[in-house]
Amino acid sequence: GESVGLHLPTLSVQEGDNSIINCAYSNSASDYFIWYKQESGKGPQFIIDIRSNMDKRQGQRVTVLLNKTVKHLSLQIAATQPGDSAVYFCAENANTGFQKLVFGTGTRLLVSP
Amino acid sequence: SAVISQKPSRDICQRGTSLTIQCQVDSQVTMMFWYRQQPGQSLTLIATANQGSEATYESGFVIDKFPISRPNLTFSTLTVSNMSPEDSSIYLCSVSVGAANTEAFFGQGTRLTVV
Repeated sequence: GESVGLHLPTLSVQEGDNSIINCAYSNSASDYFIWYKQESGKGPQFIIDIRSNMDKRQGQRVTVLLNKTVKHLSLQIAATQPGDSAVYFCAENANTGFQKLVFGTGTRLLVSP
Repeated sequence: SAVISQKPSRDICQRGTSLTIQCQVDSQVTMMFWYRQQPGQSLTLIATANQGSEATYESGFVIDKFPISRPNLTFSTLTVSNMSPEDSSIYLCSVSVGAANTEAFFGQGTRLTVV
């Protein structure tokens, strides 16, 4: 069947490498950000989030960095595995007090064994 | 967390017909959201469905084309009306279980093809 992310930017890495996926967000008033992973045929899956009062947050094998000055968000995946292959989306909450996520364009990560 | 079930998971429909997509959540949630994901693209919010009130639609989406029901705190439907091939997309239901600025959970999506 048709895959999500056929026309999206692609990052190709070797298994075991570290991956960095970047996202530029649009609204300087956004105060909450999420990274999602979407595998083919599935809905987006939460990876990690960060609030605007932080510039870094770490999870298991993942780190999110937030640079509010240039409205930039990145997702770092350590020791990338073939199972990490998917499309990754950043999302920003553009309205304080109301959960309304605006999604970025997405990046396709391909991990070669 | 929340577990979200969508039905159908996929469908092929004739142009001019309508399809109703169901979204069931395993817990009571205040806010439910419907997104569209066109082929190869990102997610776009269609509308926010609140129980007990009319849905709030985003720019470019209207109630006549995408009527939404929210009869209780665990269920919602989205209808895609008078379909055309341009409506071929993945339609996703999402819920937020906490206060503002908490993660949103997604169903697996409904893959719609209009022929």
